[in-house]
Amino acid sequence: SQTIHQWPATLVQPVGSPLSLECTVEGTSNPNLYWYRQAAGRGLQLLFYSVGIGQISSEVPQNLSASRPQDRQFILSSKKLLLSDSGFYLCTWSNSGPYYEQYFGPGTRLTVT
Amino acid sequence: DQQVKQNSPSLSVQEGRISILNCDYTNSMFDYFLWYKKYPAEGPTFLISISSIKDKNEDGRFTVFLNKSAKHLSLHIVPSQPGDSAVYFCAADPNTGFQKLVFGTGTRLLVSP
Repeated sequence: SQTIHQWPATLVQPVGSPLSLECTVEGTSNPNLYWYRQAAGRGLQLLFYSVGIGQISSEVPQNLSASRPQDRQFILSSKKLLLSDSGFYLCTWSNSGPYYEQYFGPGTRLTVT
Repeated sequence: DQQVKQNSPSLSVQEGRISILNCDYTNSMFDYFLWYKKYPAEGPTFLISISSIKDKNEDGRFTVFLNKSAKHLSLHIVPSQPGDSAVYFCAADPNTGFQKLVFGTGTRLLVSP
């Protein structure tokens, strides 16, 4: 069966510090991978998605970047965090093609102070 | 602009009764719809989906109805159980081939014994 891992579970970082959140998927190959953010009181917003190694599409201009160095690894990064980067970050995977559901990881709660 | 709207932020229902969660959308390109359930501090879990060629899909206690002309979908939970208490998100796929889901802001369901 497939499993998706995210770490860390919680993170408190000062403004201006760098960020690296990691997501890995087990039990599948060549998945589509996604990063979402849920800000306080808001819905889930798609940040990045990837259909293959090294292929990243950005949905929202922002202070963040993503990379996919391996087939089942997806990394979310920032060089300098802003207060507005606080939120709940979720990684998901799905099978390639239409009409497949996405499966969510446990999420990372990021607080920028 | 909010393309997927869940206008009820919360809903309270007694155990054993029916819970009806509603979702409206504006983009006629959406052709696949999903419902997710989320507990605090966890990632959402997939519940049920429906494609635009159907008007109903059922899975156990959960049924999703789609009214394309009204751009409206609903999730029915019968009978409701206290363990169903969670935040429910509807999501829509705009048929780009990349499952770039657009989420609503969620409805918090409370099922009381």
